[in-house]
Amino acid sequence: GAGVSQSPSNKVTEKGKDVELRCDPISGHTALYWYRQSLGQGLEFLIYFQGNSAPDKSGLPSDRFSAERTGGSVSTLTIQRTQQEDSAVYLCASSLGPKRTQYFGPGTRLLVL
Amino acid sequence: ELKVEQNPLFLSMQEGKNYTIYCNYSTTSDRLYWYRQDPGKSLESLFVLLSNGAVKQEGRLMASLDTKARLSTLHITAAVHDLSATYFCAVEYSGGGADGLTFGKGTHLIIQP
Repeated sequence: GAGVSQSPSNKVTEKGKDVELRCDPISGHTALYWYRQSLGQGLEFLIYFQGNSAPDKSGLPSDRFSAERTGGSVSTLTIQRTQQEDSAVYLCASSLGPKRTQYFGPGTRLLVL
Repeated sequence: ELKVEQNPLFLSMQEGKNYTIYCNYSTTSDRLYWYRQDPGKSLESLFVLLSNGAVKQEGRLMASLDTKARLSTLHITAAVHDLSATYFCAVEYSGGGADGLTFGKGTHLIIQP
């Protein structure tokens, strides 16, 4: 595709439910990143994939968060047992490789009621 | 831990004026990025600065990097309303570990006629 795409664009869920966010990177980009943007915390890095592997998962806020990437392309970020503090915009970015310019998707706006 | 500080965080200026946004970071970095974000939109890459003394210009925006001072500046010349947005600097850590970007809190720029 022309750019990074994310779905859904908006998600409203109830506290305690699980949600799954999807990211489709730019074709040919081997590196994929997840970030979270909230008023209180600004932009936070969550996790990075090179191919299908994530070398470092320490940026994930809690063990309720997990991410996977399959086929070196699409990635999903899963939040289990959502809490109100998980409400934020979740941004995905991709790049040609590590330490290259990251191009961001439009984000998924998550609201946990 | 890599820290990135931007100032000012909020700036209201008149069209035609010049101003500079500052970005300080705390440890050695491989590269520094400037991004623009319009309300409700994602992040748009503006510049990537790779080495000491690097200067890049695009239209009315010019970015520079001083790695010895760990300082980057984004200079706006003869501001126009269309430049109203939030500007983020982001730094890529040169050490081992995750390859995500560390962002400043952003500078919310309003340019008034």
